[in-house]
Amino acid sequence: DAGITQSPRHKVTETGTPVTLRCHQTENHRYMYWYRQDPGHGLRLIHYSYGVKDTDKGEVSDGYSVSRSKTEDFLLTLESATSSQTSVYFCAISGIRSGTDTQYFGPGTRLTVL
Amino acid sequence: GENVEQHPSTLSVQEGDSAVIKCTYSDSASNYFPWYKQELGKRPQLIIDIRSNVGEKKDQRIAVTLNKTAKHFSLHITETQPEDSAVYFCAASIPYNFNKFYFGSGTKLNVKP
Repeated sequence: DAGITQSPRHKVTETGTPVTLRCHQTENHRYMYWYRQDPGHGLRLIHYSYGVKDTDKGEVSDGYSVSRSKTEDFLLTLESATSSQTSVYFCAISGIRSGTDTQYFGPGTRLTVL
Repeated sequence: GENVEQHPSTLSVQEGDSAVIKCTYSDSASNYFPWYKQELGKRPQLIIDIRSNVGEKKDQRIAVTLNKTAKHFSLHITETQPEDSAVYFCAASIPYNFNKFYFGSGTKLNVKP
């Protein structure tokens, strides 16, 4: 597996509380991504980053924000968690050589919002 | 944007049989098509990929074919084994678009011993 870790691996929280998930890589890859995975929906892109302090929205970004202050860390924040944000969250990284390239996934974080 | 559709959503085969999963994409600019395998509770892992300048690629029991004209690509698994049971995802990527992937909704493959 590529050098990607996610923390925490499991979290249970209550509606309305803020939550921050962390993705850490040791590959020095430029591109990082946050996905959520829900039954029947596959993997949906929340936000992505193409460099330090360079981020943009994906297809399901409402209710989420991100930050990337260092190459190795990409943080996903749920400002005020809702039950609809109960999901498994995956971080992915990519180092592009020719316009498109493989993404490697972290181990995931299972988030439950009560 | 790109839209990827994947069929079937579930597939059950007998051990030793072949399995085929199909994906279609909408944007003719897409040029990279990876396939991921995800076992229960695990991360998606790349099993094979193909670029648009190639029509077919094989890796032991796994092969992927690409038809650019029809905008579809398929995963073929031969001589299936119980350990092939997992969820498989296809994806498509458009070049110079921050390497964003557009995923299919997944196929749950069950290989019966």
